[in-house]
Amino acid sequence: GQQVMQIPQYQHVQEGEDFTTYCNSSTTLSNIQWYKQRPGGHPVFLIQLVKSGEVKKQKRLTFQFGEAKKNSSLHITATQTTDVGTYFCAGPDSGYALNFGKGTSLLVTP
Amino acid sequence: NAGVTQTPKFRILKIGQSMTLQCTQDMNHNYMYWYRQDPGMGLKLIYYSVGAGITDKGEVPNGYNVSRSTTEDFPLRLELAAPSQTSVYFCASSQRYLRTSGIYEQYFGPGTRLTVT
Repeated sequence: GQQVMQIPQYQHVQEGEDFTTYCNSSTTLSNIQWYKQRPGGHPVFLIQLVKSGEVKKQKRLTFQFGEAKKNSSLHITATQTTDVGTYFCAGPDSGYALNFGKGTSLLVTP
Repeated sequence: NAGVTQTPKFRILKIGQSMTLQCTQDMNHNYMYWYRQDPGMGLKLIYYSVGAGITDKGEVPNGYNVSRSTTEDFPLRLELAAPSQTSVYFCASSQRYLRTSGIYEQYFGPGTRLTVT
């Protein structure tokens, strides 16, 4: 079945450094979603990308969808301690659900 | 709107006991999901429902059962609890699926932390 893989599994940065997490699918995706989960919390939707090569920005966060629609990335510029958490990408499966990657856990030290 | 609510927040079960995790949403969403999250393993789909009376298995359905008698409620039943079911359980809901743009965003409940000993 479809697999969604994320790298790295963990990332530890100093506040102010940039951060990037990558998501790769074994198959072409119709769309990809990104979620953030704060420690002890629940996943919260960030964004959905639909078009090939699409780039969307949310303040310091930049999301990209690859030209072949098989990969995606999330880049955070100048991280802050509020960025701490786990970032998940998710792609639709063959039915009506999402396949989530294992996530990238970001730790930011001041 | 309360969004997606789950009860209980925490529960400790003994091996072989049974329990029901409750999930309710007040957004009139047709689609509802149950996930389990183990440390470092992401979210795995247990069951999902596309509307009242319709449910289907996800990736890890063994040991669980669901029902969907109303749009709002989607309880998850654990029969004969086992230590392997120790996990955090999340319920989620979303609007209907559109083929042109894919599945709408999912709204998650706060989770139930279950320990089976």
